Amino acid sequence: DAKTTQPPSMDCAEGRAANLPCNHSTISGNEYVYWYRQIHSQGPQYIIHGLKNNETNEMASLIITEDRKSSTLILPHATLRDTAVYYCIVRVAANSGYALNFGKGTSLLVTP
Amino acid sequence: GAGVSQSPSNKVTEKGKDVELRCDPISGHTALYWYRQSLGQGLEFLIYFQGNSAPDKSGLPSDRFSAERTGGSVSTLTIQRTQQEDSAVYLCASSPRRTSGTNANTDTQYFGPGTRLTVL
Repeated sequence: DAKTTQPPSMDCAEGRAANLPCNHSTISGNEYVYWYRQIHSQGPQYIIHGLKNNETNEMASLIITEDRKSSTLILPHATLRDTAVYYCIVRVAANSGYALNFGKGTSLLVTP
Repeated sequence: GAGVSQSPSNKVTEKGKDVELRCDPISGHTALYWYRQSLGQGLEFLIYFQGNSAPDKSGLPSDRFSAERTGGSVSTLTIQRTQQEDSAVYLCASSPRRTSGTNANTDTQYFGPGTRLTVL
């Protein structure tokens, strides 16, 4: 699986959009970009994933650059409950190892 | 619908005792994973079950650890003769593990809340 790079921490004001970047310059054509988050003392939570098109669901939007070397997770209206560590993972599901390599992630602090 | 559930949520045991941790995956999910997360650390893969195939046990740290999945659904992780270094949060995840059709080759894993194991 390709390596990802994320900033260690970010702050966001409540109600504003949180834009979390991820670099994955060595991504292969068949690798998906996944985002998970882990709120303190809880299990990881799946957020969204995509291959090359932008994706949106009830939780977030995922913007993938045309060259697929980077992506941005957007939480459109951050709330205090969105404070968590956010992990960007790039992987090929079908033939990769089973473990999710969460890396260090970005610690997002949403402030009142 | 119901998510992945795990029990107990917390377990305190004495060194040398055996413990059993339970995972109920999302109904219909064919893949089930066990991970553990030590304080302040990332996830460590333990074992993977896929349908009726033999499980991948490559992540189990020692022969004191074992797991089974009965009827392709509920899974139990057993730790024998627990040691203090076994203290961690044990997480279970399940996945539909589609390999064809829509979202083929994706492997979205849905996690349970974990069992916090403390070995005194």
